[in-house]
Amino acid sequence: EIVLTQSPGTLSLSPREKATLSCRASQSVTSSRLAWYQQKPGQAPRLLIYGASTRATGIPDRFNGSGSGADFSLTISTLEPEDFAVYYCQQYGRSPETFGQGTKVEVK
Amino acid sequence: QLQLQESVPGLVKPSETLSLTCTVSGGSISNSGCSWGWIRQPPGKGLEWIGSIYYTGSTYYQNPSLRSRVTMSVDTSKNQFSLNITSVTAADTAVYYCARDPPIIPWDYWGQGALVTVSS
Repeated sequence: EIVLTQSPGTLSLSPREKATLSCRASQSVTSSRLAWYQQKPGQAPRLLIYGASTRATGIPDRFNGSGSGADFSLTISTLEPEDFAVYYCQQYGRSPETFGQGTKVEVK
Repeated sequence: QLQLQESVPGLVKPSETLSLTCTVSGGSISNSGCSWGWIRQPPGKGLEWIGSIYYTGSTYYQNPSLRSRVTMSVDTSKNQFSLNITSVTAADTAVYYCARDPPIIPWDYWGQGALVTVSS
């Protein structure tokens, strides 16, 4: 199975700062089938990005995904108060689908 | 607006079978061309894909880590799909999410999650 490793584990930033999250796969992700989700405490994950760089419906343009092959990143250009959460990457190109262990973006 | 809602079995004893149903409202499970599936999250941990079933029920995929303990089914007459996990242990304690898996786009609609605790 494809193992996804996210870094850093925790990112401590202030509102209005820029966040950059990394997701590295143990092998190339098929057809850039890489997604990013946001999860807040007590809530289900919310799809942010799919196909490595396409924003899901209703997702603000401060969220941007990039990358290909085995290296991907999620950038939040200017952190809003509601963006502090845990972020997961996921590959859905090869079964079994797998998730990274998550990056927590917390208030500094 | 599409909504998904998991049933809540709550507490399941070790070695027994965990059964969950997801009811879909605001849209038909059979008109979507989608797969439907399950993802779980142990308390304080990350997400684990359990499996997916096509809306016709004809094919489904499951995580090998669950070693064939999983069965899934679809009931289009009730607009529901279901998950069974046999021979559960404490390691199966988790919040179980049902979700929609459309073509091309991954999990776009999720249920709120159901906490299942395996304990005697």
